Amino acid sequence: KAGVTQTPRYLIKTRGQQVTLSCSPISGHRSVSWYQQTPGQGLQFLFEYFSETQRNKGNFPGRFSGRQFSNSRSEMNVSTLELGDSALYLCASSLAGSGTEAFFGQGTRLTVV
Amino acid sequence: AQSVTQLGSHVSVSEGALVLLRCNYSSSVPPYLFWYVQYPNQGLQLLLKYTTGATLVKGINGFEAEFKKSETSFHLTKPSAHMSDAAEYFCAVSEGYGGSQGNLIFGKGTKLSVKP
Repeated sequence: KAGVTQTPRYLIKTRGQQVTLSCSPISGHRSVSWYQQTPGQGLQFLFEYFSETQRNKGNFPGRFSGRQFSNSRSEMNVSTLELGDSALYLCASSLAGSGTEAFFGQGTRLTVV
Repeated sequence: AQSVTQLGSHVSVSEGALVLLRCNYSSSVPPYLFWYVQYPNQGLQLLLKYTTGATLVKGINGFEAEFKKSETSFHLTKPSAHMSDAAEYFCAVSEGYGGSQGNLIFGKGTKLSVKP
């Protein structure tokens, strides 16, 4: 079956702009989580959506937002981009249930110039 | 708050040697523990997980890990390293509460190099 698909794979934006990243989970998965990966901070949890509701949120400013659609696809948006937002953004999907495996997409590499 | 500590940001072994990657966690509740591997320019792939039951967990590619509650550790081992094991490895913990996966708290990662 198809894995987690993230689009686009690479993105270059200018400071102050906004960006929207997309994630299509594995068919049947209702939970989608987003992570930011940088060399300095490592992998950090952004937020989790389950059945179109945000269930958890990490410690990121309000410029970072997301949503989930009825087909479980998810988008995350970053407004007023800063240089420090340059990172690999990873999406993970899973079935409902504690401790279930999270399947990760290949990520979107965002570069802010 | 939960946290994960991976000792050693870079580990180098010879091909055929034992691989040992260390992970210690802190959690106020019984944790779910995971090891993920990341190859360059790729997402993360699950190697193995501990939820409940047997404390010695076997994963893919010959890796295994042992959950030791008394030591709050979940070290990853492989008896014989292969060149293809060269990658970055992440230990993660999750409370996995409610009906969702919860969120994963990752360690900083350990980059494994394998020398021929």
